[in-house]
Amino acid sequence: KNEVEQSPQNLTAQEGEFITINCSYSVGISALHWLQQHPGGGIVSLFMLSSGKKKHGRLIATINIQEKHSSLHITASHPRDSAVYICAVGPGNQFYFGTGTSLTVIP
Amino acid sequence: EAGVAQSPRYKIIEKRQSVAFWCNPISGHATLYWYQQILGQGPKLLIQFQNNGVVDDSQLPKDRFSAERLKGVDSTLKIQPAKLEDSAVYLCASSLLAGETEAFFGQGTRLTVV
Repeated sequence: KNEVEQSPQNLTAQEGEFITINCSYSVGISALHWLQQHPGGGIVSLFMLSSGKKKHGRLIATINIQEKHSSLHITASHPRDSAVYICAVGPGNQFYFGTGTSLTVIP
Repeated sequence: EAGVAQSPRYKIIEKRQSVAFWCNPISGHATLYWYQQILGQGPKLLIQFQNNGVVDDSQLPKDRFSAERLKGVDSTLKIQPAKLEDSAVYLCASSLLAGETEAFFGQGTRLTVV
């Protein structure tokens, strides 16, 4: 069993739709990270959070420490949001990664 | 601030050849990671440095992979000799404090072994 599980693995949405990607983890953590990876391979850090909720533009990330669960929401999705979204958790000395959610937003 | 720099961006080599990747982390970041990401999978940690010391290299195939971080700044990852299954994106990341602070990733090096 992986330390970090993401769902769904693949997601196709129509432009403008509200999108949710889920992440569950089994290890104790000090922080959870949401990362975005475009087809070229580079990874961008979207959020780092250890409690509550963070918002950046159309992106919202929430975390429930008791339930060991986090969600990434994208409001008013756009084709440029098409990417792989990766959840990573840090128990303090390393990162554990989910396998990613591949999102395709169709115009 | 400048991001994590990696080079080259792409590399194609034949099996049994050698290859080296370079990473320059964000200035002041003590922790540096090398990850291997095979197509369709999440990144897998190869080696983690804290300054110039190795914290974790348990998943590094030491018979063919080596990495160093001289002076606790730049790092190189080498594969010698390469195998077909080494085809992947090699990502370098750095952070101030391992796991507890935001990690910054480089653009990655896409290696194709033919």
